[in-house]
Amino acid sequence: GDSVTQMEGPVTLSEEAFLTINCTYTATGYPSLFWYVQYPGEGLQLLLKATKADDKGSNKGFEATYRKETTSFHLEKGSVQVSDSAVYFCAITANQAGTALIFGKGTTLSVSS
Amino acid sequence: DSGVTQTPKHLITATGQRVTLRCSPRSGDLSVYWYQQSLDQGLQFLIQYYNGEERAKGNILERFSAQQFPDLHSELNLSSLELGDSALYFCASSVGDRYNEQFFGPGTRLTVL
Repeated sequence: GDSVTQMEGPVTLSEEAFLTINCTYTATGYPSLFWYVQYPGEGLQLLLKATKADDKGSNKGFEATYRKETTSFHLEKGSVQVSDSAVYFCAITANQAGTALIFGKGTTLSVSS
Repeated sequence: DSGVTQTPKHLITATGQRVTLRCSPRSGDLSVYWYQQSLDQGLQFLIQYYNGEERAKGNILERFSAQQFPDLHSELNLSSLELGDSALYFCASSVGDRYNEQFFGPGTRLTVL
């Protein structure tokens, strides 16, 4: 079945450092790809998305490109801030079950000043 | 604020009991999804309703059931509760039932003692 694998955390960075969180997926067909962020004590918020190959999603300085050849959707940010500290989830649509999301296990990012 | 509301925010109950979690989708959204977030299983899709009808099922136990009412709010019923059912339960909504962005509520934290 469809699945998502993302790098395990925690990822600890200093402010203004470069961030990469790796995400790869296994899916039949052509899924849509998402990054969600969960701040402490809150629900999930959509950070960015890409719906077809080579699409680049971007938001709040974060970017990810839909790479069909490597089945990847790595999240990057050039300069992280303390306020970016959160848990980041990579997700894909589950083609077999309509539009339900399949999530990776999440990566905790901690940014210190 | 995503526009999705969930009640209650916290729920503490005993094994063997039954509880009902409630979700109101964003205005205009016809789809409601339920997800369970636990430390060992991560975020897992449970069930989806679209305009009152069940549309997709994920890893939902037989002890769990859901429904969507004519006003589009949804309830998730959990019965014969076990310690392992302790988790965060999220509701999400989207406009349609296919490849639409999902907006998540703040979640209900269920603790089974």
